Amino acid sequence: NAGVTQTPKFRVLKTGQSMTLLCAQDMNHEYMYWYRQDPGMGLRLIHYSVGEGTTAKGEVPDGYNVSRLKKQNFLLGLESAAPSQTSVYFCASSVPGGRLTYEQYFGPGTRLTVT
Amino acid sequence: DAKTTQPTSMDCAEGRAANLPCNHSTISGNEYVYWYRQIHSQGPQYIIHGLKNNETNEMASLIITEDRKSSTLILPHATLRDTAVYYCIVRANTGNQFYFGTGTSLTVIP
Repeated sequence: NAGVTQTPKFRVLKTGQSMTLLCAQDMNHEYMYWYRQDPGMGLRLIHYSVGEGTTAKGEVPDGYNVSRLKKQNFLLGLESAAPSQTSVYFCASSVPGGRLTYEQYFGPGTRLTVT
Repeated sequence: DAKTTQPTSMDCAEGRAANLPCNHSTISGNEYVYWYRQIHSQGPQYIIHGLKNNETNEMASLIITEDRKSSTLILPHATLRDTAVYYCIVRANTGNQFYFGTGTSLTVIP
Protein backbone atom coordinates (compact mmCIF):
# COMPACT_ATOMS: atom_id res chain seq x y z
CA ASN A 1 0.00 0.00 0.00
CA ALA A 2 1.24 3.47 -0.86
CA GLY A 3 -1.09 4.97 1.77
CA VAL A 4 -1.83 8.64 1.12
CA THR A 5 0.06 10.32 -1.70
CA GLN A 6 0.06 13.96 -2.76
CA THR A 7 0.93 15.58 -6.06
CA PRO A 8 2.91 17.77 -6.54
CA LYS A 9 5.44 17.92 -3.68
CA PHE A 10 6.46 21.51 -4.41
CA ARG A 11 4.98 24.32 -6.47
CA VAL A 12 5.59 28.01 -6.99
CA LEU A 13 2.71 30.10 -8.33
CA LYS A 14 2.35 33.72 -9.27
CA THR A 15 -0.50 35.71 -7.75
CA GLY A 16 -3.70 35.11 -9.68
CA GLN A 17 -2.67 31.76 -11.15
CA SER A 18 -4.73 28.65 -10.53
CA MET A 19 -3.74 25.12 -9.66
CA THR A 20 -5.08 21.82 -8.38
CA LEU A 21 -3.53 19.66 -5.70
CA LEU A 22 -4.23 15.96 -5.93
CA CYS A 23 -4.58 13.59 -3.01
CA ALA A 24 -4.91 9.86 -3.54
CA GLN A 25 -5.38 7.03 -1.04
CA ASP A 26 -5.40 3.30 -1.62
CA MET A 27 -6.85 2.22 1.74
CA ASN A 28 -10.51 2.41 0.67
CA HIS A 29 -11.14 5.11 3.28
CA GLU A 30 -14.45 6.95 3.23
CA TYR A 31 -13.27 10.20 4.82
CA MET A 32 -10.70 12.55 3.33
CA TYR A 33 -9.40 15.93 4.50
CA TRP A 34 -7.35 18.88 3.35
CA TYR A 35 -5.34 20.89 5.91
CA ARG A 36 -2.95 23.80 5.64
CA GLN A 37 -0.06 24.50 7.95
CA ASP A 38 1.58 27.91 8.14
CA PRO A 39 5.04 28.37 9.70
CA GLY A 40 4.97 27.84 13.47
CA MET A 41 1.29 26.98 13.43
CA GLY A 42 -0.76 23.85 13.86
CA LEU A 43 -2.83 22.35 11.08
CA ARG A 44 -6.08 24.01 10.10
CA LEU A 45 -8.83 22.14 8.26
CA ILE A 46 -9.79 23.60 4.87
CA HIS A 47 -12.38 21.17 3.53
CA TYR A 48 -13.27 17.56 4.10
CA SER A 49 -15.35 14.81 2.54
CA VAL A 50 -17.29 12.00 4.19
CA GLY A 51 -17.77 10.06 0.98
CA GLU A 52 -17.65 10.08 -2.80
CA GLY A 53 -19.54 13.04 -4.20
CA THR A 54 -19.75 14.91 -0.86
CA THR A 55 -17.71 17.80 0.49
CA ALA A 56 -17.97 20.13 3.49
CA LYS A 57 -16.25 23.27 4.73
CA GLY A 58 -13.73 23.19 7.50
CA GLU A 59 -12.16 25.96 9.54
CA VAL A 60 -10.56 28.00 6.71
CA PRO A 61 -12.38 27.26 3.41
CA ASP A 62 -12.22 30.68 1.72
CA GLY A 63 -10.26 30.78 -1.53
CA TYR A 64 -10.36 27.02 -2.03
CA ASN A 65 -12.64 24.56 -3.75
CA VAL A 66 -12.65 20.77 -3.55
CA SER A 67 -14.07 17.81 -5.41
CA ARG A 68 -14.41 14.12 -4.59
CA LEU A 69 -15.50 12.49 -7.82
CA LYS A 70 -13.85 9.19 -6.98
CA LYS A 71 -13.58 7.62 -3.55
CA GLN A 72 -9.81 7.36 -3.71
CA ASN A 73 -9.13 10.96 -4.84
CA PHE A 74 -9.69 14.33 -3.20
CA LEU A 75 -8.76 17.43 -5.19
CA LEU A 76 -8.03 20.87 -3.75
CA GLY A 77 -8.26 23.81 -6.14
CA LEU A 78 -7.01 27.36 -5.91
CA GLU A 79 -8.79 29.45 -8.53
CA SER A 80 -6.81 32.66 -8.05
CA ALA A 81 -3.79 32.16 -5.83
CA ALA A 82 -2.84 34.81 -3.27
CA PRO A 83 0.38 35.21 -1.25
CA SER A 84 -1.67 34.43 1.89
CA GLN A 85 -2.11 30.92 0.53
CA THR A 86 1.61 30.21 0.78
CA SER A 87 1.65 27.21 3.07
CA VAL A 88 2.23 23.48 3.38
CA TYR A 89 -0.86 21.50 2.45
CA PHE A 90 -1.55 18.11 3.96
CA CYS A 91 -4.12 15.60 2.87
CA ALA A 92 -5.44 12.89 5.20
CA SER A 93 -7.89 10.02 5.11
CA SER A 94 -9.69 7.93 7.72
CA VAL A 95 -12.25 5.19 8.17
CA PRO A 96 -15.58 6.39 9.53
CA GLY A 97 -17.68 5.06 12.36
CA GLY A 98 -17.24 4.66 16.10
CA ARG A 99 -13.76 4.08 17.42
CA LEU A 100 -12.34 3.72 13.93
CA THR A 101 -12.45 7.47 13.34
CA TYR A 102 -9.58 7.98 15.74
CA GLU A 103 -6.76 7.63 13.28
CA GLN A 104 -6.19 9.91 10.33
CA TYR A 105 -3.47 8.89 7.88
CA PHE A 106 -1.57 11.83 6.47
CA GLY A 107 0.22 12.37 3.20
CA PRO A 108 3.74 13.84 2.94
CA GLY A 109 2.53 17.36 2.17
CA THR A 110 2.71 19.85 -0.71
CA ARG A 111 4.81 22.96 -0.20
CA LEU A 112 3.18 25.86 -2.08
CA THR A 113 4.67 29.30 -2.50
CA VAL A 114 2.68 32.14 -4.05
CA THR A 115 4.72 35.13 -5.15
CA ASP B 1 -15.00 20.47 20.53
CA ALA B 2 -13.18 21.39 23.74
CA LYS B 3 -10.09 23.55 23.68
CA THR B 4 -6.73 22.25 24.88
CA THR B 5 -3.74 23.97 26.49
CA GLN B 6 -0.22 22.59 26.14
CA PRO B 7 3.22 23.96 27.00
CA THR B 8 4.95 25.47 24.01
CA SER B 9 8.15 23.47 24.37
CA MET B 10 9.86 20.84 26.52
CA ASP B 11 13.22 19.08 26.68
CA CYS B 12 13.88 15.50 27.70
CA ALA B 13 17.11 13.54 28.11
CA GLU B 14 17.53 10.57 25.81
CA GLY B 15 16.50 7.33 27.53
CA ARG B 16 14.37 9.07 30.13
CA ALA B 17 10.58 9.23 30.19
CA ALA B 18 9.00 12.21 28.46
CA ASN B 19 5.82 13.42 30.16
CA LEU B 20 3.76 15.79 28.04
CA PRO B 21 0.84 17.48 29.82
CA CYS B 22 -2.42 18.72 28.34
CA ASN B 23 -5.24 20.66 29.96
CA HIS B 24 -8.77 20.26 28.63
CA SER B 25 -10.91 21.62 31.44
CA THR B 26 -14.04 22.08 29.27
CA ILE B 27 -14.08 18.55 27.91
CA SER B 28 -17.53 17.01 27.50
CA GLY B 29 -18.57 13.52 28.51
CA ASN B 30 -18.54 12.16 24.96
CA GLU B 31 -15.20 13.67 23.93
CA TYR B 32 -12.10 11.59 23.54
CA VAL B 33 -8.51 12.73 24.07
CA TYR B 34 -6.25 12.10 21.07
CA TRP B 35 -2.52 12.56 20.66
CA TYR B 36 -0.70 13.02 17.38
CA ARG B 37 2.85 14.00 16.64
CA GLN B 38 4.53 15.70 13.72
CA ILE B 39 8.16 15.09 13.00
CA HIS B 40 9.76 17.96 11.12
CA SER B 41 8.13 18.63 7.74
CA GLN B 42 6.21 15.33 7.73
CA GLY B 43 2.46 14.72 8.03
CA PRO B 44 1.14 14.15 11.57
CA GLN B 45 1.16 10.62 12.98
CA TYR B 46 -1.45 9.15 15.31
CA ILE B 47 -0.09 8.05 18.69
CA ILE B 48 -2.89 7.11 21.05
CA HIS B 49 -6.36 8.08 22.26
CA GLY B 50 -8.61 7.49 25.27
CA LEU B 51 -11.89 8.39 26.92
CA LYS B 52 -11.67 7.76 30.67
CA ASN B 53 -9.30 4.90 31.33
CA ASN B 54 -5.56 5.01 30.99
CA GLU B 55 -4.34 3.57 27.72
CA THR B 56 -1.05 2.03 26.57
CA ASN B 57 0.24 0.93 23.20
CA GLU B 58 3.61 0.22 21.66
CA MET B 59 4.36 3.93 21.27
CA ALA B 60 3.15 5.57 24.47
CA SER B 61 0.90 5.65 27.51
CA LEU B 62 -1.96 8.05 28.09
CA ILE B 63 -2.94 8.98 31.63
CA ILE B 64 -6.27 10.80 32.02
CA THR B 65 -7.20 12.34 35.37
CA GLU B 66 -10.35 11.13 37.09
CA ASP B 67 -12.17 14.41 36.39
CA ARG B 68 -10.92 14.21 32.77
CA LYS B 69 -9.82 17.84 32.85
CA SER B 70 -6.21 17.00 32.02
CA SER B 71 -4.08 14.23 30.64
CA THR B 72 -0.44 13.27 30.21
CA LEU B 73 1.22 11.52 27.31
CA ILE B 74 4.17 9.41 28.42
CA LEU B 75 6.95 8.27 26.12
CA PRO B 76 8.66 5.75 28.43
CA HIS B 77 12.17 5.82 26.96
CA ALA B 78 12.59 8.83 24.73
CA THR B 79 14.93 8.58 21.75
CA LEU B 80 16.28 11.26 19.43
CA ARG B 81 13.68 10.17 16.88
CA ASP B 82 10.93 11.25 19.28
CA THR B 83 11.88 14.90 18.74
CA ALA B 84 8.68 16.32 17.27
CA VAL B 85 5.67 18.55 17.89
CA TYR B 86 3.03 16.72 19.94
CA TYR B 87 -0.62 17.68 19.57
CA CYS B 88 -3.30 17.01 22.15
CA ILE B 89 -6.80 17.09 20.66
CA VAL B 90 -10.20 16.48 22.20
CA ARG B 91 -13.03 15.48 19.95
CA ALA B 92 -16.34 13.69 20.08
CA ASN B 93 -16.09 10.34 18.35
CA THR B 94 -18.95 11.32 16.11
CA GLY B 95 -17.17 14.49 15.00
CA ASN B 96 -15.49 14.86 11.64
CA GLN B 97 -12.86 17.45 12.44
CA PHE B 98 -9.63 17.52 14.42
CA TYR B 99 -8.48 20.90 15.74
CA PHE B 100 -4.71 20.60 16.05
CA GLY B 101 -3.66 23.77 17.87
CA THR B 102 0.06 24.59 18.12
CA GLY B 103 1.13 21.61 20.25
CA THR B 104 4.26 21.04 22.36
CA SER B 105 7.65 20.99 20.69
CA LEU B 106 9.58 18.17 22.38
CA THR B 107 13.35 18.09 21.99
CA VAL B 108 15.14 14.92 23.08
CA ILE B 109 18.68 15.75 24.12
CA PRO B 110 21.55 13.25 23.77
